[in-house]
Amino acid sequence: GAGVSQSPSNKVTEKGKDVELRCDPISGHTALYWYRQSLGQGLEFLIYFQGNSAPDKSGLPSDRFSAERTGGSVSTLTIQRTQQEDSAVYLCASAAANYGYTFGSGTRLTVV
Amino acid sequence: AQSVTQLGSHVSVSEGALVLLRCNYSSSVPPYLFWYVQYPNQGLQLLLKYTSAATLVKGINGFEAEFKKSETSFHLTKPSAHMSDAAEYFCAVRRNNNDMRFGAGTRLTVKP
Repeated sequence: GAGVSQSPSNKVTEKGKDVELRCDPISGHTALYWYRQSLGQGLEFLIYFQGNSAPDKSGLPSDRFSAERTGGSVSTLTIQRTQQEDSAVYLCASAAANYGYTFGSGTRLTVV
Repeated sequence: AQSVTQLGSHVSVSEGALVLLRCNYSSSVPPYLFWYVQYPNQGLQLLLKYTSAATLVKGINGFEAEFKKSETSFHLTKPSAHMSDAAEYFCAVRRNNNDMRFGAGTRLTVKP
């Protein structure tokens, strides 16, 4: 597609449930990133994939969070046993080279 | 570690007035610096980027930023604010391993 696509755009889930957030990067972009934006907060780095290298998971806040990138393209961010503090907008971005990213519109996650 | 600090979480200007959004960075090597804008309910959009080619960088929508190594600053300016400039602005630095770290953001309000 022309841009980075994220789905769903909105997700409401009950506390304790697992959720999966999907990101379709721009075709050919080797780098993919996940960020979290909480209300009134800046962007919090979560995880970074670059080609076939091992991902940089240093930003994942707990072991309830995990992410995969299949075939160097689509990525899924999984949050297990969701908590209310997980409520945020989860942003995905992809990049082809060492410059700016292209961001998706995000998934707004609400844990009730 | 490379990081950015945005001074002022909220800036308010009158329409037609100068816009100045401050960003200071810390980096042990020449940095790649970026400004992103996030309009309400939208994803992040690249405004401009500094990649050491020129210290004064011009971006979209009339914005520009000047890299000042002596002040470790990369402030964003626009000579005359427009109502449509109301948004959240993020300064970011690209680290050596190609992931981006963002500032906390500055919300710009433009008064009629």
